[in-house]
Amino acid sequence: GDSVTQMEGPVTLSEEAFLTINCTYTATGYPSLFWYVQYPGEGLQLLLKATKADDKGSNKGFEATYRKETTSFHLEKGSVQVSDSAVYFCALRRGTSYDKVIFGPGTSLSVIP
Amino acid sequence: GAVVSQHPSWVICKSGTSVKIECRSLDFQATTMFWYRQFPKQSLMLMATSNEGSKATYEQGVEKDKFLINHASLTLSTLTVTSAHPEDSSFYICSASRDSEYEQYFGPGTRLTVT
Repeated sequence: GDSVTQMEGPVTLSEEAFLTINCTYTATGYPSLFWYVQYPGEGLQLLLKATKADDKGSNKGFEATYRKETTSFHLEKGSVQVSDSAVYFCALRRGTSYDKVIFGPGTSLSVIP
Repeated sequence: GAVVSQHPSWVICKSGTSVKIECRSLDFQATTMFWYRQFPKQSLMLMATSNEGSKATYEQGVEKDKFLINHASLTLSTLTVTSAHPEDSSFYICSASRDSEYEQYFGPGTRLTVT
C-alpha cells in the first residue's frame, strides 16, 4: 500500500542554519504531496503542497520539489528561526476529496538561538 | 477561507461516560470529513472517513461501536467516544475536503483525557 517515510528526529539546529528534512513515498500513480506543520499543542497547518511531478511548493521560506524519479519530496529552508520549532509531517494523497491522507511519522525540529 | 473548527478544544471525562466532539467547516461545504487520532509524539492515525448522509467507513482495527461518527450535514460531523476509558485519552483531529480538491483542511484538534 501507499506509504510515506521521513527522516527520524529529533533534529536540533542553530538559528540561521540550513534545514533539510528528507521524505520519500511509495504510491501508485501520481499522488499529491504535502508538508504539514504542527506547533506544540496545536492542530495541523498546511505548509506547502505539490500536485504533479517537478512542481515546487513554497511557503514562508520553505520549499519542496516533487521528484517522481526518486519518489521524494524533501523539505528545505535556507535559514531557520526559533519560531520554526515544530513537528513536520510529510504526506501524500491520491485522487481528490474522497481519498485519505497518508502521513509520515513526523520529524521534530528544535531551533536554538 | 476553508476554516475547520472543533469543539471542545479539550475535555476531561470520567471513565465509563461518553463524550461528543464536533467538527464544523465554517465557510465551505465539506463533501467528506475525516477523523484522526494522534498519540503523543506520534503521527496521525486515520480512524474513519465520513460522507454526508451515509455511514462512516472505519479503518481496520477501529471499533465502530465505540467511536460513533455522524455526518449530519455538509458542515458538521460528530465523533462520540462511548464508554470512554483511560486508553481512549488522545488528541483527536478532524479534517474536511471540498469536492474535487486535493487539499484537506484540518481542525485545531480536541484533547480528550479520561480519568
